[in-house]
Amino acid sequence: NAGVTQTPKFRVLKTGQSMTLLCAQDMNHEYMYWYRQDPGMGLRLIHYSVGEGTTAKGEVPDGYNVSRLKKQNFLLGLESAAPSQTSVYFCASTDPGTVNQPQHFGDGTRLSIL
Amino acid sequence: DQQVKQNSPSLSVQEGRISILNCDYTNSMFDYFLWYKKYPAEGPTFLISISSIKDKNEDGRFTVFLNKSAKHLSLHIVPSQPGDSAVYFCAASGFYGGSQGNLIFGKGTKLSVKP
Repeated sequence: NAGVTQTPKFRVLKTGQSMTLLCAQDMNHEYMYWYRQDPGMGLRLIHYSVGEGTTAKGEVPDGYNVSRLKKQNFLLGLESAAPSQTSVYFCASTDPGTVNQPQHFGDGTRLSIL
Repeated sequence: DQQVKQNSPSLSVQEGRISILNCDYTNSMFDYFLWYKKYPAEGPTFLISISSIKDKNEDGRFTVFLNKSAKHLSLHIVPSQPGDSAVYFCAASGFYGGSQGNLIFGKGTKLSVKP
């Protein structure tokens, strides 16, 4: 059982380049999330999705776009990368059900923008 | 303005002793609290949680205490082991407004357990 898988694990981009980070989960979870973590900071929510075909903005959405075309996948896009987007990106998923359920995280994508 | 605060960036304890990690929150609408553990180069792993209707939840060596009146929770690890050395994140959520139960994380406390 792979859980939450993030692709790629590392990437270096030049300012202005675009890229897409892929998150895949095999737990049939409804909710998926993208976070970024910067040094000395907690995880901050970028965008999230409460189901296939739906997305919503989190705390720090500027400069990012997302898509949830399939239930198991959640894509995070950077259209024009900026050095301020250098960070570690984490994807998570959960199924809210009838009681609180914890989010399950992938191992992260380390992204450097030069 | 931080809604979830972990005021100690680091904590060092001796193997076998108790580790106490603290967390404060400001939003009275939070009703679910979690602790995550994170090793370097890995994603956060869920450790233990507590609902606001309880004041204590225990799972093996880990116990979380919630003091709603003080808006404070703590994680106790007894006894501490070297493998517990990691960064611990406190997180909170509540279904209010459009939050959809989204998690708000603290900045983390790095725990070092010395043999």
